[in-house]
Amino acid sequence: ETGVTQSPTHLIKTRGQQVTLRCSSQSGHNTVSWYQQALGQGPQFIFQYYREEENGRGNFPPRFSGLQFPNYSSELNVNALELDDSALYLCASSPGAGIRGTGELFFGEGSRLTVL
Amino acid sequence: DAKTTQPNSMESNEEEPVHLPCNHSTISGTDYIHWYRQLPSQGPEYVIHGLTSNVNNRMASLAIAEDRKSSTLILHRATLRDAAVYYCILRDSSNTGKLIFGQGTTLQVKP
Repeated sequence: ETGVTQSPTHLIKTRGQQVTLRCSSQSGHNTVSWYQQALGQGPQFIFQYYREEENGRGNFPPRFSGLQFPNYSSELNVNALELDDSALYLCASSPGAGIRGTGELFFGEGSRLTVL
Repeated sequence: DAKTTQPNSMESNEEEPVHLPCNHSTISGTDYIHWYRQLPSQGPEYVIHGLTSNVNNRMASLAIAEDRKSSTLILHRATLRDAAVYYCILRDSSNTGKLIFGQGTTLQVKP
């Protein structure tokens, strides 16, 4: 059973550019959520995808968008990058939206984005 | 979203028990108490969760106060590999993927 994998592990962009981060969820997991973790802070929820549809969003502007594919892998896209977007972006998968309140999330190791 | 309060940092000696406290005075009846930890340069890792009763698993124990306004994560014998940031999180039953992380407790384990 493979875990959650994310790519790329590190990348550097300049302000105003766009970035796409990718996540392969754990086998059998149909729910993916994305988090942003600034240096020294706890992760912040960006949004969640369940069966290819967004079904929960945190306090992030529309330039943060995502996709989930039929194989449950996912992408996070950020447009018009700002310096404050520099952070570790974490992807987490879970077995299903039907498990309410109790299921554990499995996190990848993250993609570290630096915006110059 | 209900909040949790944890000490910023704690220290422990290797092979001694560690008790990590968490206050959640505004917890609702349907909130589960989850603990995750984040080792350096890694994503968060699930540790344990509970609702009302104390829980044990291979990693840790979770002691929940009778009024549910506080809980304690117990590592029975700390090892150097347990040095991490520990997050106490209240998770409601409405959305499975959303966790509200606070600042967490940074645990240092001394040999």
